[in-house]
Amino acid sequence: GENVEQHPSTLSVQEGDSAVIKCTYSDSASNYFPWYKQELGKRPQLIIDIRSNVGEKKDQRIAVTLNKTAKHFSLHITETQPEDSAVYFCAATDGGYQKVTFGIGTKLQVIP
Amino acid sequence: SAVISQKPSRDICQRGTSLTIQCQVDSQVTMMFWYRQQPGQSLTLIATANQGSEATYESGFVIDKFPISRPNLTFSTLTVSNMSPEDSSIYLCSVAGAGGTGELFFGEGSRLTVL
Repeated sequence: GENVEQHPSTLSVQEGDSAVIKCTYSDSASNYFPWYKQELGKRPQLIIDIRSNVGEKKDQRIAVTLNKTAKHFSLHITETQPEDSAVYFCAATDGGYQKVTFGIGTKLQVIP
Repeated sequence: SAVISQKPSRDICQRGTSLTIQCQVDSQVTMMFWYRQQPGQSLTLIATANQGSEATYESGFVIDKFPISRPNLTFSTLTVSNMSPEDSSIYLCSVAGAGGTGELFFGEGSRLTVL
């Protein structure tokens, strides 16, 4: 089955700095890589995703890159703000029956 | 998008008892997923529930411990049976977005504490 590794597990940055979270996956059949944000006490929500036919995707201050050859993908958050503080999960799926494998999560703290 | 309602939102349970969590979706969906999130941990898939058939359980989860019902295309229940403190977790119901986008939508979660 798929195995997704994520690091770091915790990350503290100063407001305005950038944050990078990295993930690797094991199953070459995986073709969809979403990122979820979970604020304290809230449900996880999709913030950005990327498919295997694309190398990079950007949405305002967040971007995701994918290297299929190396089987790794990363989340980049620029100009971080206190409201970016949350736990971020990467995930991978082959999209077949949408079984999603999640990484362990990264707790991001943005220090004002 | 899908709107998912779960209840209870939280409960405190005694060891050895069972609790049923309900999940209601605002649209018809083929598959519903049940996840467990232990304190400070990631999301682990318990089972996939299809309407009209037995749920499919992931490795490490069994039907006797986590029986699931799926009576129609908008509703499902997960029961946590014979609970122990190790079952203290958040249980999340989830569905996939329409059109096969791959996005998952989650309920608010049910936080269970077993004493």
